[in-house]
Amino acid sequence: AQKVTQAQTEISVVEKEDVTLDCVYETRDTTYYLFWYKQPPSGELVFLIRRNSFDEQNEISGRYSWNFQKSTSSFNFTITASQVVDSAVYFCALTPISGGYNKLIFGAGTRLAVHP
Amino acid sequence: DSGVTQTPKHLITATGQRVTLRCSPRSGDLSVYWYQQSLDQGLQFLIQYYNGEERAKGNILERFSAQQFPDLHSELNLSSLELGDSALYFCASSVEDWGGSGETQYFGPGTRLLVL
Repeated sequence: AQKVTQAQTEISVVEKEDVTLDCVYETRDTTYYLFWYKQPPSGELVFLIRRNSFDEQNEISGRYSWNFQKSTSSFNFTITASQVVDSAVYFCALTPISGGYNKLIFGAGTRLAVHP
Repeated sequence: DSGVTQTPKHLITATGQRVTLRCSPRSGDLSVYWYQQSLDQGLQFLIQYYNGEERAKGNILERFSAQQFPDLHSELNLSSLELGDSALYFCASSVEDWGGSGETQYFGPGTRLLVL
């Protein structure tokens, strides 16, 4: 089965706290791609990162960092020193290579509320 | 701004009616995807077109159909609408699609459909 699980439905933090959003995926494919998208209150889906299954290097982009661990099938997302503008729903998604097409399989999303 | 445009932004209609949602992909992108976001089903892949041809189908109802035109814009047609079709419909585009290339999909702002 191809599946993405985001067990945290909602997280509430105070500004400047660090927060980690969990993502666990299931796929039998050895080649696949993982993504994070942000959906702010305005509703659009904003691309954050793409990672292929052969690249386990962690990535940092400003206050954002991602930890990919194939051994635990996880692709977690950390926001350091959170800000009110980070309040949004965050989606983790998987594209397996099998099937030969690029549909995104989304998790249910984690709603992050950052309070001043 | 992702470069993907969708019209209309909001649509209110009645059960049994038919509506057409329109999407223009980013300049240079050949692949267009449609997704439905609803409270109970989350974000679900509906259908993909690549350079005018249907490429993959997901959980798309028979009452729904889509096409991609020579200028690469796409339309999603929803007919015999039911209350449960109320949702946010997203269009996304990517540069190519070859055998599951895992290309990043950039999403439009969505069309919010309300069926009364």
